[in-house]
Amino acid sequence: GQQLNQSPQSMFIQEGEDVSMNCTSSSIFNTWLWYKQDPGEGPVLLIALYKAGELTSNGRLTAQFGITRKDSFLNISASIPSDVGIYFCAGFDNAGNMLTFGGGTRLMVKP
Amino acid sequence: GAGVSQSPRYKVAKRGQDVALRCDPISGHVSLFWYQQALGQGPEFLTYFQNEAQLDKSGLPSDRFFAERPEGSVSTLKIQRTQQEDSAVYLCASSLGNSYYEQYFGPGTRLTVT
Repeated sequence: GQQLNQSPQSMFIQEGEDVSMNCTSSSIFNTWLWYKQDPGEGPVLLIALYKAGELTSNGRLTAQFGITRKDSFLNISASIPSDVGIYFCAGFDNAGNMLTFGGGTRLMVKP
Repeated sequence: GAGVSQSPRYKVAKRGQDVALRCDPISGHVSLFWYQQALGQGPEFLTYFQNEAQLDKSGLPSDRFFAERPEGSVSTLKIQRTQQEDSAVYLCASSLGNSYYEQYFGPGTRLTVT
C-alpha cells in the first residue's frame, strides 16, 4: 500500500484562481517529486526537491520540501484550463530505490 | 523522440495468455523502473534495473511477473498466465544516474485481461 497521503483528492476551481495541494507521510522522505498526469499518458515531472525547507519554482508552480521531511506542498498560481489533470507527489525514503506515490489530486478548472 | 517509449500502448489478453511489454528508456539512462498503476491510483513500484542488473524486484506481485534488461537498454516485462487482476497500466521510467535522480516516465501500456 501507499505511504503518502495527498489532499485534497479533487478540486474544482475557477480559471485564474490559485491552487494549493499537499502531501504527508508517516515516515521521513529524502527527496520529493511532483508529477502531473494527463489521461492516457505517463506522469510528467514538474518539480524535484532535495533538501528540507527547499522552496523551488517552475513557472506558475511552486513546491516546498517540509522542514520535518514528512510533507511537501505544491502551489499553482493563476490557474489556466491546461492545468487540468492529476497531480501526484512521490518520494524516496531511506528504505529503497523506488518512488512511493501518493493517491493523486484531481484538478478541474472551469473557464 | 528523445523520451521513454513503450509498446504496445494497448493490449487485450484473454485470461491465461502470456504478454510481453516493451520499454525503450531515454538513451544513456542507467536506471530503469517498472510501475503498475491501477485505475484511480498512483503508480506502484514493481522492479528496478541498474544497467542490466535487476537490483530490486520486491514489488513484483507474483512469480508470474518477470522482467529483464539483458543489454542494459531495452527492457521487457513479461506476465505469464494473465489474470483479471493484472489489468492495469504498466509504466516504465528511466533516470540518468542512481535511483535518486529524477525519473522520467513513458506513456504506459494499458493491459486489459478479459
